[in-house]
Amino acid sequence: DVKVTQSSRYLVKRTGEKVFLECVQDMDHENMFWYRQDPGLGLRLIYFSYDVKMKEKGDIPEGYSVSREKKERFSLILESASTNQTSMYLCASSSIDGSRTEAFFGQGTRLTVV
Amino acid sequence: GENVEQHPSTLSVQEGDSAVIKCTYSDSASNYFPWYKQELGKGPQLIIDIRSNVGEKKDQRIAVTLNKTAKHFSLHITETQPEDSAVYFCAARDTDKLIFGTGTRLQVFP
Repeated sequence: DVKVTQSSRYLVKRTGEKVFLECVQDMDHENMFWYRQDPGLGLRLIYFSYDVKMKEKGDIPEGYSVSREKKERFSLILESASTNQTSMYLCASSSIDGSRTEAFFGQGTRLTVV
Repeated sequence: GENVEQHPSTLSVQEGDSAVIKCTYSDSASNYFPWYKQELGKGPQLIIDIRSNVGEKKDQRIAVTLNKTAKHFSLHITETQPEDSAVYFCAARDTDKLIFGTGTRLQVFP
C-alpha cells in the first residue's frame, strides 16, 4: 500500500517559533509537494521539488522554505511562525513517469499558531 | 501560469439524485485533469482522471467530461449515496505540478 506520511496530525506553536513539518513517501517518487488548504481557497501550492536538493517556488512561498536532502523526505520550514500561517498543510508526491501521473497525499498536518 | 476555477462551492442533493461539479482552466497546454475526494480528517484521494486526448471517462457511478475548446471539465456522480458526502477538488496539470480548484463540499441527504 503506497504511503505518504506526515510526521504530525496536529501541531500548536507560538508566534515566532521555527516550525518543521516533515513528510516521507515510500514510492520512490521524484516529485514532492507542499500545499496549504484553507476554507474557500482550495489547495494552494507552497513549494515543490523535482529531485534531491532541488526546489521550486509555488504560488505562495512567502514565509516558508523547504529542504529535500533525501529522495523520500521533504520538509517544510516556517522560519518564524505567524498567526496567518495557521492552516492545514498537505504533502504530496508523484512520479515523473508520464503514464503514472497520480499524486498521493498525506493525511495532513493541522497547524495552529498562537 | 495555470488557474482553475471550480463551482459550486457547496452542493446538497437527495440520495439517489445526480451531482455535477464544474471546473474551468486557463492554460490550453494543460493535458491532465484529475478529480480528488477528501473525506473528513483525511488527505485528498484520486477518484478519476482524464487526459486531454479523451472527451469522457466513466468509472461505475462517476464520470468526467472534458471540453478542450471551452477549457472546462466536469465531474458527474449518479445515484448518489451518503458516503459520497465529502469535499471534491478538480485540478489541472501545469508541467509537473497540479493546480487545484477551490473545492466543492457535497452533502448527500438520506
